[in-house]
Amino acid sequence: GAGVSQSPSNKVTEKGKDVELRCDPISGHTALYWYRQSLGQGLEFLIYFQGNSAPDKSGLPSDRFSAERTGGSVSTLTIQRTQQEDSAVYLCASSLVGSWTGELFFGEGSRLTVL
Amino acid sequence: RKEVEQDPGPFNVPEGATVAFNCTYSNSASQSFFWYRQDCRKEPKLLMSVYSSGNEDGRFTAQLNRASQYISLLIRDSKLSDSATYLCAVRGYTGGFKTIFGAGTRLFVKA
Repeated sequence: GAGVSQSPSNKVTEKGKDVELRCDPISGHTALYWYRQSLGQGLEFLIYFQGNSAPDKSGLPSDRFSAERTGGSVSTLTIQRTQQEDSAVYLCASSLVGSWTGELFFGEGSRLTVL
Repeated sequence: RKEVEQDPGPFNVPEGATVAFNCTYSNSASQSFFWYRQDCRKEPKLLMSVYSSGNEDGRFTAQLNRASQYISLLIRDSKLSDSATYLCAVRGYTGGFKTIFGAGTRLFVKA
């Protein structure tokens, strides 16, 4: 597809379970970002990938959160032992590195609900 | 202090009004600046980049003041369709380009 694709679009899980969220960026975009948006709140930066490496993991809220990116393309955000406060929309974005506009293109998000 | 700060609003304005949003950022080394628009339950989309000399796109005008670390967005002749949340975004280099968003300002335009 032409845009950023995220899956699942909705995920309901029980407290304590692990979840994986997937992001497929726009082809050719080497930069990939994960953000979290709680209801009525702004975008909270989680992690940034340049290629397969993550120069900035400063936003990950706890060691229950991890992310990886393989092949310079698809990324997975994993949340272990989910808690109710993890409920949010997880947004992935990609951009062209070196693009002076720096525009981020977002996916539609994965809405996570932890019961 | 948050890296990017905005007045959350909401701003309630009648159609045809002019409304201005402000945003401040803390990192003086920030390099690029943007306004994004986010409709309810949708993903953010770029509204416009903000250039040092200021720039205009139709009814929208963006300004940057590097000395004061301040960005603004002016919307003239507001339309009902302008109702959305407006997110200020700042991009800087920390081993890679990282974009930080403000919490957003909600705008409601009323008939």
